[in-house]
Amino acid sequence: QVQLQESGPGLVKPSQTLSLTCTVSGGSISERYYWSWIRQPAGKGLEWIGRIYTTGSPDYNPALKSRVTISLDMSKSHFSLKVSPVTAADTAVYYCARDGGFGIDHWGQGTLVTVSS
Amino acid sequence: DIQMTQSPSTLSASVGDRVTITCRASQSINIWLAWYQQKPGKAPKLLIYEASTLESGVPSRFSASGSGTEFSLTISSLQPDDFATYYCQKYSPYSPYTFGQGTKLEI
Repeated sequence: QVQLQESGPGLVKPSQTLSLTCTVSGGSISERYYWSWIRQPAGKGLEWIGRIYTTGSPDYNPALKSRVTISLDMSKSHFSLKVSPVTAADTAVYYCARDGGFGIDHWGQGTLVTVSS
Repeated sequence: DIQMTQSPSTLSASVGDRVTITCRASQSINIWLAWYQQKPGKAPKLLIYEASTLESGVPSRFSASGSGTEFSLTISSLQPDDFATYYCQKYSPYSPYTFGQGTKLEI
């Protein structure tokens, strides 16, 4: 059973870069899936950030595209998210997930990132 | 961009009730729609994909239908474990994904 685990700083200063990593275990990151990031501000709904396919280029939410980078490192079985520059509006629980092309079927537990000075 | 609108935002119901949640797309999305259940402090769980296909392990009291721009999720007989927030999601492979704003199902 594939498992995903987010890791990274829980506190980021405004105007700096948010960097998160998602480690995939119990399955190969080289399998033909989309590897995705989703976020959720406290008390609010889900926002799709973007995804990267095993052999393709990433797709991003147009609203975030200018500030987001998603990359894949197969040698380390992980994929990453960078958001820069951040503001308080980027404070949220960030989820990494696996998307089989028919919905997101495996999720990490989520990690809270707070943007504050 | 295609927008997804769920209704109602909040739904009050009782154990044993039959409830339906609606999701509308601003443009046709064929059957590229998924439904998720989320409980407080937990990651969402995939319930339905391709508008009406039940994910493995999801109880049969959950069902869904629709195509184009109109979709619905029905729970035939509410169980205590079903009180949660439900989201629809457009997942067309050719355009960015979008979630609905969520429907909180409360007792």
